[in-house]
Amino acid sequence: RKEVEQDPGPFNVPEGATVAFNCTYSNSASQSFFWYRQDCRKEPKLLMSVYSSGNEDGRFTAQLNRASQYISLLIRDSKLSDSATYLCVVTRDFNKFYFGSGTKLNVKP
Amino acid sequence: NAGVTQTPKFRVLKTGQSMTLLCAQDMNHEYMYWYRQDPGMGLRLIHYSVGEGTTAKGEVPDGYNVSRLKKQNFLLGLESAAPSQTSVYFCASIRFGTDTQYFGPGTRLTVL
Repeated sequence: RKEVEQDPGPFNVPEGATVAFNCTYSNSASQSFFWYRQDCRKEPKLLMSVYSSGNEDGRFTAQLNRASQYISLLIRDSKLSDSATYLCVVTRDFNKFYFGSGTKLNVKP
Repeated sequence: NAGVTQTPKFRVLKTGQSMTLLCAQDMNHEYMYWYRQDPGMGLRLIHYSVGEGTTAKGEVPDGYNVSRLKKQNFLLGLESAAPSQTSVYFCASIRFGTDTQYFGPGTRLTVL
């Protein structure tokens, strides 16, 4: 069983739409949770950390549900520049990061 | 600061050839990582290091070796390349006590 599972998409949405991604993780001992963004043929970059209390950064909101072992990312008022692959990441030991295969988002004009 | 750099950016090898990928970071980070990314799959950890002179195996270490002789450099070696090692390789580093990974731009390796 994979450590982290994501719907690969693609999610095709118009500009201005709200879109949500979920990710599930298999190990209840997972400690830290993140969303990374990866543009085509580029390196991943941290989008935001995910906390049990939830956190918001502008148009982006991340939630963690430890009981159900899933993480969500909500993007409001989608922009063309949000088109990318979004990677869900968890850590179990501080040193080890486990990546999902990513969810592709296409924002259309 | 250059951040994390990787050398080379692209490389084509024949089966059985060897090569070394270099990762360098100028942020004085303690932890460094090597990942590979294949189509449809997430990044998978090959090897990592928690400090100068130390290395440890990740999820997919077979066919690779690493060395961390200097804190700022982390080398990934392929002794006898195989087509299954065709991939994009990313290096990353983290400062001790934090959890933000900084990635290099990647190395695209093709093994024929």
